[in-house]
Amino acid sequence: DVKVTQSSRYLVKRTGEKVFLECVQDMDHENMFWYRQDPGLGLRLIYFSYDVKMKEKGDIPEGYSVSREKKERFSLILESASTNQTSMYLCASSQQGAVTGELFFGEGSRLTVL
Amino acid sequence: AQRVTQPEKLLSVFKGAPVELKCNYSYSGSPELFWYVQYSRQRLQLLLRHISRESIKGFTADLNKGETSFHLKKPFAQEEDSAMYYCALSPAGANSKLTFGKGITLSVRP
Repeated sequence: DVKVTQSSRYLVKRTGEKVFLECVQDMDHENMFWYRQDPGLGLRLIYFSYDVKMKEKGDIPEGYSVSREKKERFSLILESASTNQTSMYLCASSQQGAVTGELFFGEGSRLTVL
Repeated sequence: AQRVTQPEKLLSVFKGAPVELKCNYSYSGSPELFWYVQYSRQRLQLLLRHISRESIKGFTADLNKGETSFHLKKPFAQEEDSAMYYCALSPAGANSKLTFGKGITLSVRP
């Protein structure tokens, strides 16, 4: 069964802390994505990666960075967390060249920044 | 740049009533359109895509290029259809880089 795993389901951090959100997929997918999900705003793309060591900015990259050292792992980093980064973060993966547009999502990481 | 608009935030219907979830898009090229669904306490998942022209769980969606719409329809709603629904767009060949709408909550009452 296809699986995208986000290791932290719930996190509470303080303003200014460095935060790591980890995502691992077991489907040998080339493409990986980080979205944030907010009520009334839908899903907004933060960063994505089509290959190891490769990353591209999405629509709202400010305040975030990413790391893709291995094909199966895509990490989202908040260098200095702020209260406006309180959100649900969704990781997703897909097969490269897929025309179906099917993203496989993790269960999400709910981050609260105090 | 592409944009997906879901004009309503909430739709509440009784069981057995017809459902139409609206989606309009803005994109100058040839898009690929999708509907994603998130049931309570479950992960977001693909419901259907326009290129497949399929019916999933009784839902259908037709791409209307003239009206730039991709509305999701079901003739008879069931309680288990209650969920959050997102319309999404990908430029053709964009390797799954999707732009999502803001989503709509469908509530089906018994």
